[in-house]
Amino acid sequence: QKEVEQNSGPLSVPEGAIASLNCTYSDRGSQSFFWYRQYSGKSPELIMSIYSNGDKEDGRFTAQLNKASQYVSLLIRDSQPSDSATYLCAVNIDGNKLVFGAGTILRVKS
Amino acid sequence: DGGITQSPKYLFRKEGQNVTLSCEQNLNHDAMYWYRQDPGQGLRLIYYSQIVNDFQKGDIAEGYSVSREKKESFPLTVTSAQKNPTAFYLCASSIAGLGDTEAFFGQGTRLTVV
Repeated sequence: QKEVEQNSGPLSVPEGAIASLNCTYSDRGSQSFFWYRQYSGKSPELIMSIYSNGDKEDGRFTAQLNKASQYVSLLIRDSQPSDSATYLCAVNIDGNKLVFGAGTILRVKS
Repeated sequence: DGGITQSPKYLFRKEGQNVTLSCEQNLNHDAMYWYRQDPGQGLRLIYYSQIVNDFQKGDIAEGYSVSREKKESFPLTVTSAQKNPTAFYLCASSIAGLGDTEAFFGQGTRLTVV
């Protein structure tokens, strides 16, 4: 089992819709979770961090964490074509390293 | 401006050569990381360092070496033992050394074997 798993996609949504991106992880002791956005040919940029169960909102983005289910998600409301990118989930594993999932490609169609 | 600087942006390596990728940060971060990204794939951890003069192997350390003599610098050497080095290399840093705080990335170095 991979340490951090994401559906590779692509996930296609129409402009203005909600995009839902999901991530599962293997280390039940993980305490820190991050979402990054990566445009083609560029380096990842941090969108959200979440450390506690529940929801965390920042503008159009909401991160959701459920430690019991070992599941973290990212919702993007009012999706825009500029949101089209690869979204990477990252999790602190074994208490000492940051492990990334393979990423989900999001395409927002206008 | 504070940030992470990787150089060069593009690097070409001949077969059998060792090459060194530079990573410098002025964020006063303790932890630094090197990741490799292949086309259409996620980031794989090569090496990480939580403190000066200490570093640990990641998942794909074979064929790579690092040093951490200064807090702000974490160079990566791709040796001739790395049989398939063509990839996008990303350096990152974070405040704390346990992967439990946000990591920020440099702009990356694209390495090609010619």
